[in-house]
Amino acid sequence: DAGVIQSPRHEVTEMGQEVTLRCKPISGHNSLFWYRQTMMRGLELLIYFNNNVPIDDSGMPEDRFSAKMPNASFSTLKIQPSEPRDSAVYFCASSLGQGQPQHFGDGTRLSIL
Amino acid sequence: GEDVEQSLFLSVREGDSSVINCTYTDSSSTYLYWYKQEPGAGLQLLTYIFSNMDMKQDQRLTVLLNKKDKHLSLRIADTQTGDSAIYFCAENHSNYQLIWGAGTKLIIKP
Repeated sequence: DAGVIQSPRHEVTEMGQEVTLRCKPISGHNSLFWYRQTMMRGLELLIYFNNNVPIDDSGMPEDRFSAKMPNASFSTLKIQPSEPRDSAVYFCASSLGQGQPQHFGDGTRLSIL
Repeated sequence: GEDVEQSLFLSVREGDSSVINCTYTDSSSTYLYWYKQEPGAGLQLLTYIFSNMDMKQDQRLTVLLNKKDKHLSLRIADTQTGDSAIYFCAENHSNYQLIWGAGTKLIIKP
């Protein structure tokens, strides 16, 4: 069975550029999460979607970050403009529904120079 | 606020049992989780336990839950080199939000 699929796996770009991270959740899962992982802050929940609707975006750091879920099988996380402090591993996770275990993708390792 | 605490490191000999401990503060948690993260990889759901259980066993893994003391442990029997990873404990704070521990790095000595 295919798990959560994220692309790209690695992204290196210069400060000020737009970055788009992509996620395909597990088929049939109706909850989707974007996380950021850093050594200093650990795992942080950025945004949570349920049935393609953003429910909680209180973890989105600032207006430079935006996320969309146009349909049940695709989500994007966009950073514009990017800054060096955005360098981190970004994970997408999905679950069958509220309260169900979350299943993670392999992450996108983002480096902003 | 709610918090989950774990030791940062655990070192065990290959073949011995590993016991990774976790304490949490939210007494209303319904599920508690163990995730495994290998270098460069995502978080793999290892196992989880419902709060009305006190033990769950799955092959080499045993989860013990002491709800009174808010203490969760993960025992890995016959630890192998492939078990080297960071192990995260998490509790569900709401019906979607998880509170995560900082992770315990399991180091296997030959």
